[in-house]
Amino acid sequence: ETGVTQTPRHLVMGMTNKKSLKCEQHLGHNAMYWYKQSAKKPLELMFVYNFKEQTENNSVPSRFSPECPNSSHLFLHLHTLQPEDSALYLCASSQSSARGQETQYFGPGTRLLVL
Amino acid sequence: ELKVEQNPLFLSMQEGKNYTIYCNYSTTSDRLYWYRQDPGKSLESLFVLLSNGAVKQEGRLMASLDTKARLSTLHITAAVHDLSATYFCANTRGSQGNLIFGKGTKLSVKP
Repeated sequence: ETGVTQTPRHLVMGMTNKKSLKCEQHLGHNAMYWYKQSAKKPLELMFVYNFKEQTENNSVPSRFSPECPNSSHLFLHLHTLQPEDSALYLCASSQSSARGQETQYFGPGTRLLVL
Repeated sequence: ELKVEQNPLFLSMQEGKNYTIYCNYSTTSDRLYWYRQDPGKSLESLFVLLSNGAVKQEGRLMASLDTKARLSTLHITAAVHDLSATYFCANTRGSQGNLIFGKGTKLSVKP
């Protein structure tokens, strides 16, 4: 596998379900990101991890819970979501989040539908 | 607060024509990123512009950066159908380099 991979690619869940999104990068990067892309809004940065430490939480509701066990893996745990959370969730990685090393490489995304 | 604005948001072009997409940003920065997204797919990095006056070209696309005007342009020369996609510009915020994206310009090239 090369680049940034995400699983699952598609997910349908009910509002009471708990699910997790997985992201893995094979680029030797140290920073990983979660973004939300909805139909009518710009790409929204959700979380940033740099060297496994969370460095940004962009006012994301607590029903989204990130986890970064190592620099290569990033998870987004979902519980009691709302229909408005339906979107494309993109994972990205960069060499680090420091200035000058922030060119980000994106995974294919997980398209989430909350019923 | 850093804001990134693109225009136009929608662009329908005929093949063979030229056009420019504009990206304005609100705070001082010396770098700018352009990405492309095909329908249903992820974002692909196109250009990284790292200084005032930087110009980069790849095929029919050319990007430039004017940090004094806080403006980047993406120029399309002799458009072809394969260029149909959504193009995003992004800038960095603060010392951590987190990217803030514009809303994207959806380009449709018609025969």
